[in-house]
Amino acid sequence: ILNVEQSPQSLHVQEGDSTNFTCSFPSSNFYALHWYRWETAKSPEALFVMTLNGDEKKKGRISATLNTKEGYSYLYIKGSQPEDSATYLCAFTGRDDKIIFGKGTRLHILP
Amino acid sequence: DAGVIQSPRHEVTEMGQEVTLRCKPISGHNSLFWYRQTMMRGLELLIYFNNNVPIDDSGMPEDRFSAKMPNASFSTLKIQPSEPRDSAVYFCVLGGAYSGANVLTFGAGSRLTVL
Repeated sequence: ILNVEQSPQSLHVQEGDSTNFTCSFPSSNFYALHWYRWETAKSPEALFVMTLNGDEKKKGRISATLNTKEGYSYLYIKGSQPEDSATYLCAFTGRDDKIIFGKGTRLHILP
Repeated sequence: DAGVIQSPRHEVTEMGQEVTLRCKPISGHNSLFWYRQTMMRGLELLIYFNNNVPIDDSGMPEDRFSAKMPNASFSTLKIQPSEPRDSAVYFCVLGGAYSGANVLTFGAGSRLTVL
């Protein structure tokens, strides 16, 4: 059974603080790792797709790293803003094209 | 996402009734995934197709669930007979052909309530 774990499940962060959360996935059969940002009543928005061990990607105040050998990815948000409040999903893609999502980290930014 | 049309958006039905959820994908995406979302389990993969061919249906919970993709423009997920525990939001999601490195495109989801 493929397990994609995200932690923490939920996180409260003061506006202006930086934060990070984790996605753990199987290190075998790895092809790609996706991060999505999902706001209520909207479709998930793609943040990053990473394929190479050691990959680091950045989009504004958000960045992500990837370690395929140990099976984890971190998502970092620098200087949190209220609009960062959302659920952040990671998704593991195997070489068989099967895409398995984690349950997400729900981020709440406190004013 | 307006590009992937799912219908119905909301359905309320009684236990035992047949439910058919529909997905009309946009062109240019060769992979189609059906996911079910619940609070407890998050997004669960039910089945996925590549070039209209079912590749893996191991996530389909029971024989009551079936899915088809007769052509590149249409897919259905059927539940017969439906049960209260099937209540969830069902998403149709598109990806690139044999390339999990493509960004996924989500439909808006079909919210199913089985009484």
